[in-house]
Amino acid sequence: AAGVIQSPRHLIKEKRETATLKCYPIPRHDTVYWYQQGPGQDPQFLISFYEKMQSDKGSIPDRFSAQQFSDYHSELNMSSLELGDSALYFCASSLGLNPGQGYEQYFGPGTRLTVT
Amino acid sequence: AQSVAQPEDQVNVAEGNPLTVKCTYSVSGNPYLFWYVQYPNRGLQFLLKYITGDNLVKGSYGFEAEFNKSQTSFHLKKPSALVSDSALYFCAVRDWSTDKLIFGTGTRLQVFP
Repeated sequence: AAGVIQSPRHLIKEKRETATLKCYPIPRHDTVYWYQQGPGQDPQFLISFYEKMQSDKGSIPDRFSAQQFSDYHSELNMSSLELGDSALYFCASSLGLNPGQGYEQYFGPGTRLTVT
Repeated sequence: AQSVAQPEDQVNVAEGNPLTVKCTYSVSGNPYLFWYVQYPNRGLQFLLKYITGDNLVKGSYGFEAEFNKSQTSFHLKKPSALVSDSALYFCAVRDWSTDKLIFGTGTRLQVFP
């Protein structure tokens, strides 16, 4: 079965540089979520999109922005990178934005970003 | 605010023995609860969920979880542990209004041969 695809898998950037992370959800999934997992920490919600519209925003720095495109893939853009941005960034997808359905989120393998 | 707590940082169990990874929740309204497993340098894999219905939920790889409303718990269990079950386990609750997942701090399960 097709899974969530993230690219790149690893990314090394220097401070103040820009990074773009890409996420391709499972086919027919219309909702995408981004999470950040620091070393030894639990995943923290950043932002989500449903049908190409932002549906929720968590603890995402103003230096970060994201969008979902017409083909439902999503990109997380990170500017003015700081050492503290080094983390594993996960994308997840699910079917529909309907809390009553309780659809589970399926996670991609993550992008490991290292800022030096 | 909704939250989950995993009181144990690490659980050690011998192969073949039953295992339990604990999770308690705090939510307003009906909880949507999930368990995920994370292997080193890998993404989170969905194991099982509780939405409604039977309190005992069966999931992938022989895992199950028991929803206990009176104790506000959702413990993950497996009758017979395998060395390959060694990984990091996260309990999560789904935010009622926005669907984002709120994770616990994780429990590292170590199964010894």
